[in-house]
Amino acid sequence: NAGVTQTPKFQVLKTGQSMTLQCAQDMNHNSMYWYRQDPGMGLRLIYYSASEGTTDKGEVPNGYNVSRLNKREFSLRLESAAPSQTSVYFCASYEDRNTEAFFGQGTRLTVV
Amino acid sequence: GDSVTQMEGPVTLSEEAFLTINCTYTATGYPSLFWYVQYPGEGLQLLLKATKADDKGSNKGFEATYRKETTSFHLEKGSVQVSDSAVYFCALPYTGGFKTIFGAGTRLFVKA
Repeated sequence: NAGVTQTPKFQVLKTGQSMTLQCAQDMNHNSMYWYRQDPGMGLRLIYYSASEGTTDKGEVPNGYNVSRLNKREFSLRLESAAPSQTSVYFCASYEDRNTEAFFGQGTRLTVV
Repeated sequence: GDSVTQMEGPVTLSEEAFLTINCTYTATGYPSLFWYVQYPGEGLQLLLKATKADDKGSNKGFEATYRKETTSFHLEKGSVQVSDSAVYFCALPYTGGFKTIFGAGTRLFVKA
């Protein structure tokens, strides 16, 4: 049982480049989330999808877009990367909001 | 609105010492409460949870009791090990929607 799989694990981008972070879960969960984690800042919610076909902004959505491709997959896109987007990105899924979150291993992104 | 406050770290302990990490919450109603642990280089994973008042969650020697009267969910362990070195997050589901409120995280260092 793979749980939540994120790709890639590491990435270095130049300012202005674009990229898509991929996330897939095999637990048939309805809700999927993207967080970023910066030193001393804890977790901050970027976007979430409460169910297939819906997406909503979190606390820090600027500079990002998301796509809920199907029930399994939820991607995060950086259209024009900026150094301020250097962070560790985590995808998580939930069966419903009152249950535990399952996290991926994270993507460590550096924008130079 | 809903919120979680946990003690600031880092917390540094010697092996076999007693651990307490304080967590207090503000919420509408009585949501489930969670403790997550993040080991170096990994995503968060559920450590324990409690679904109603006076419930005690426990796992790997860690315990936390859902205290409605004091709106607290403090994490305790009687004898920490070096392998417990990690960041610990207190969390609750946001009662107003499809999000989880995470505390800022408390980093624990355990010395041999």
